[in-house]
Amino acid sequence: DSGVTQTPKHLITATGQRVTLRCSPRSGDLSVYWYQQSLDQGLQFLIQYYNGEERAKGNILERFSAQQFPDLHSELNLSSLELGDSALYFCASSVVSGGGGELFFGEGSRLTVL
Amino acid sequence: QQQVKQSPQSLIVQKGGISIINCAYENTAFDYFPWYQQFPGKGPALLIAIRPDVSEKKEGRFTISFNKSAKQFSLHIMDSQPGDSATYFCAASRMDSNYQLIWGAGTKLIIKP
Repeated sequence: DSGVTQTPKHLITATGQRVTLRCSPRSGDLSVYWYQQSLDQGLQFLIQYYNGEERAKGNILERFSAQQFPDLHSELNLSSLELGDSALYFCASSVVSGGGGELFFGEGSRLTVL
Repeated sequence: QQQVKQSPQSLIVQKGGISIINCAYENTAFDYFPWYQQFPGKGPALLIAIRPDVSEKKEGRFTISFNKSAKQFSLHIMDSQPGDSATYFCAASRMDSNYQLIWGAGTKLIIKP
């Protein structure tokens, strides 16, 4: 158990809809990262927050947004969903910001868009 | 400059054999090279990591070999077991607050009993 909690574990929705994925980082971790992993694909970095502030942006679509709240949990909002958005969405947390720290991943939220 | 190229994409090894996964990078500023292991249905987890001041790091059956001049690093799994079957990701970064991990594409490893 990594200590990172993601909800929901599974989500099925229709094209055009909006969903929110939630992540609770490990206790004490200030950084939260969101990744997208399509079927049998690699990890695509979406966005990172550090102590409530956006720190880095990756290949995140304009239809997607995220935020980190004062209690350090984070939400990833996906809107105007398309079939191609079906994927596993991982949240990871770390103590530090940036590439030198170990990332602790949650078990992911599997999104299916029909 | 920011890419990390990982090979092979998939690998089948007999139980007891040696599994070798290779990664190459371009950015000489990278100074942190981790490997993550991902089992089906789970998130990736840090397996082992190396800094460029050493050429090899070993943890149990897992070894990272690092060749700074060639800008390559590799993961060796000795005495591979069916329980090692997973997807392995290499990555590279800098020990710097502004750098993100740059990930390889992943290698799906299957260990045949």
